[in-house]
Amino acid sequence: QQQVKQSPQSLIVQKGGISIINCAYENTAFDYFPWYQQFPGKGPALLIAIRPDVSEKKEGRFTISFNKSAKQFSLHIMDSQPGDSATYFCAASKGTGGFKTIFGAGTRLFVKA
Amino acid sequence: DAGITQSPRHKVTETGTPVTLRCHQTENHRYMYWYRQDPGHGLRLIHYSYGVKDTDKGEVSDGYSVSRSKTEDFLLTLESATSSQTSVYFCAISDRIRDEKLFFGSGTQLSVL
Repeated sequence: QQQVKQSPQSLIVQKGGISIINCAYENTAFDYFPWYQQFPGKGPALLIAIRPDVSEKKEGRFTISFNKSAKQFSLHIMDSQPGDSATYFCAASKGTGGFKTIFGAGTRLFVKA
Repeated sequence: DAGITQSPRHKVTETGTPVTLRCHQTENHRYMYWYRQDPGHGLRLIHYSYGVKDTDKGEVSDGYSVSRSKTEDFLLTLESATSSQTSVYFCAISDRIRDEKLFFGSGTQLSVL
């Protein structure tokens, strides 16, 4: 059972544009929502994360928007660059009573120069 | 990749043979994980460990076993490999349960023919 649904599967954006990746979760016990970035041939690396007590978190060009009532969260990449071309995974985990991180299926982003 | 070494990096084997993948960390992190990555499924947890000799199953543990005899080493064994176990396997480590930040190795590409 997929507990974290991610869309789109792939995304092509022009350089300088905004990339938006969406995720939805089912389990309201999740209380930590990270995003991981993966380049070809490498393992995923934590990019940015948010807890449900805030609606937005920004780090440089990367912003997470969180909608607790809708059980949805999204990653926005502003001023997208060719170097941002990678696969992005949203994820969710529970801080207590089980700490296993559940990942979405991933989004392959390609930024055209 | 945060002091995590996976070996081998690539392996081709035949159906029915046993296979062992090794993860070695130099970070002295308590928690270690094995994930598999498949297109359309993201990363799925196979097994995890919360200390030496302390392990538990993840969501896709059938056909896999693990062992952790030292803090730094976490072994994943496919007792009798099947074609459905062809995948990229990632080891990850973490030093905390809450707001879990996973550090991933570079992965092992396993092909079962």
